[in-house]
Amino acid sequence: DAGVIQSPRHEVTEMGQEVTLRCKPISGHNSLFWYRQTMMRGLELLIYFNNNVPIDDSGMPEDRFSAKMPNASFSTLKIQPSEPRDSAVYFCASSFVNEQFFGPGTRLTVL
Amino acid sequence: AQSVTQLDSQVPVFEEAPVELRCNYSSSVSVYLFWYVQYPNQGLQLLLKYLSGSTLVKGINGFEAEFNKSQTSFHLRKPSVHISDTAEYFCAVIPGAGSYQLTFGKGTKLSVIP
Repeated sequence: DAGVIQSPRHEVTEMGQEVTLRCKPISGHNSLFWYRQTMMRGLELLIYFNNNVPIDDSGMPEDRFSAKMPNASFSTLKIQPSEPRDSAVYFCASSFVNEQFFGPGTRLTVL
Repeated sequence: AQSVTQLDSQVPVFEEAPVELRCNYSSSVSVYLFWYVQYPNQGLQLLLKYLSGSTLVKGINGFEAEFNKSQTSFHLRKPSVHISDTAEYFCAVIPGAGSYQLTFGKGTKLSVIP
């Protein structure tokens, strides 16, 4: 199993640009999570999908952030427009029961 | 809401010495507990987990943790650390069956000194 796959691994963009992060969960997992990690706030849950349906998006910072899961094998997290304070590492994780498996993360830098 | 407290933000330890990384969580009827490790520029990898049963849980890389319900603690231990154990360690909790919300502590950076 290839594990959770995220792309790109690194993204550098300018303020105001649209950013799309991608995630492929582990096959057979029915839950998918997007997290953000910063020095100041640690790991924060942004959104949780179960069976492709968003269950909890209370962690999404503001309307500039949106996430979709069109099918069981793909999810996107979009930031539009991006701001420097969005700079962080974004992780995708998937699970079947209790254990969450994390992807390698996307390091986003917004200039 | 659940909370997780990792009492030490940084722990330096000499190679081959024992180490304990402390974790306390806010009380709940039942919890599932996890320790994850994050190596530099990598994602989180599960070290071990407690779901039920024996309170002493053994994980990968020689780590173990003990669930103490009365003290609401889940401290991570290793009897002899190696340089390769240098990483950040996160304690996390799910408040029982049927819940998905994994709450993380702030992390403890373990630095193994040669």
